[in-house]
Amino acid sequence: ETGVTQTPRHLVMGMTNKKSLKCEQHLGHNAMYWYKQSAKKPLELMFVYSLEERVENNSVPSRFSPECPNSSHLFLHLHTLQPEDSALYLCASSQEWRTGTALQETQYFGPGTRLLVL
Amino acid sequence: AQSVAQPEDQVNVAEGNPLTVKCTYSVSGNPYLFWYVQYPNRGLQFLLKYITGDNLVKGSYGFEAEFNKSQTSFHLKKPSALVSDSALYFCAVSPLSGSARQLTFGSGTQLTVLP
Repeated sequence: ETGVTQTPRHLVMGMTNKKSLKCEQHLGHNAMYWYKQSAKKPLELMFVYSLEERVENNSVPSRFSPECPNSSHLFLHLHTLQPEDSALYLCASSQEWRTGTALQETQYFGPGTRLLVL
Repeated sequence: AQSVAQPEDQVNVAEGNPLTVKCTYSVSGNPYLFWYVQYPNRGLQFLLKYITGDNLVKGSYGFEAEFNKSQTSFHLKKPSALVSDSALYFCAVSPLSGSARQLTFGSGTQLTVLP
């Protein structure tokens, strides 16, 4: 496996529920990400915590709220979701190095949480 | 803005035949290019990446990809396909000088290898 774990693997929730997705990376990385994967669409980057800086995608609705308590753990808190939020939510991590101008490193993904909103 | 195009939603190939999954990109400056594979009910697995140097990059499971700057392409190839290669393949790009949040993925190509 990739060293990135996600729980739960499957989640069914009603529109009035509150739930949280959890991601943990065992790779010693310093950057973590949430992606949304919908059928036949490119992966959508939702949030990044990188070098202790949170970068938020402005197009993400406020019903999604990330939390990164430390470099190994990442949460996505969900409340009052809509049926169109049903998707596979993927967590990823990478090691970012500030060497010269190159910040990019390979991202490693977890198995995802399959979310169904009824 | 950067972008990735995977022109084929579906590629079918017979087992033992060579396979190609196409990817073209658009980015400012030099690109940082990736291929990932996704098996059913799994997350994305890193296959290979191109930064600089040799235009032919070798990756996991016998896959390789050829970087062509003039055609802005980064096609994924394998000389002899296996049934177990059947999966969803994603190409991704970011500027070489960019940060992780600038990684852009294509919409994916479903590869089916027929026995």
